[in-house]
Amino acid sequence: DAKTTQPNSMESNEEEPVHLPCNHSTISGTDYIHWYRQLPSQGPEYVIHGLTSNVNNRMASLAIAEDRKSSTLILHRATLRDAAVYYCILRDRNMNNNAGNMLTFGGGTRLMVKP
Amino acid sequence: NAGVTQTPKFQVLKTGQSMTLQCAQDMNHEYMSWYRQDPGMGLRLIHYSVGAGITDQGEVPNGYNVSRSTTEDFPLRLLSAAPSQTSVYFCASSYSMSFPYEQYFGPGTRLTVT
Repeated sequence: DAKTTQPNSMESNEEEPVHLPCNHSTISGTDYIHWYRQLPSQGPEYVIHGLTSNVNNRMASLAIAEDRKSSTLILHRATLRDAAVYYCILRDRNMNNNAGNMLTFGGGTRLMVKP
Repeated sequence: NAGVTQTPKFQVLKTGQSMTLQCAQDMNHEYMSWYRQDPGMGLRLIHYSVGAGITDQGEVPNGYNVSRSTTEDFPLRLLSAAPSQTSVYFCASSYSMSFPYEQYFGPGTRLTVT
């Protein structure tokens, strides 16, 4: 899987939007962009994923650059509960072997939300 | 659905002891896996299974055994605990190994080996 680069930490104020960046300059054409987050003392949870087009779901939006070398996870109104480590992960859609479902977690971005 | 459950939540072992971390899911998922997370780091894959009777090694399998006799359960066995195995262990499951089904994680087991 191609490598991703994320800032170690970010701060946000409650009720304000948050933009979490991820750089993946070596992304291949068949790599999906996944985001997971890990709340304190919990297991990771899925947030969103996309390939080329921007994606929205109930938790967040994912904005993907036209050249796909970067993406941004957008939390529209941060709450205290959104304080977590956010992981940006690339996964190759052509990995048909058993290992293709593995997630490779880097260091992620620790998001702190101030009241 | 209870989702992915793990027991125990906390465990302290002495060096050389063995134990089994339990993982169960009630979502009829084919794919199950075990990760470990060391302080300040991301998760690393230990072992995974794509169905009952089928298991394979991940990135850091040494010192751990797994088996998958049923779809629901995927226990992780530490054969002879070492301080280097002090970590938080997460079990995960997914509907299929086919891409891009999301993975569901359990709450974790915090293991300390003294």
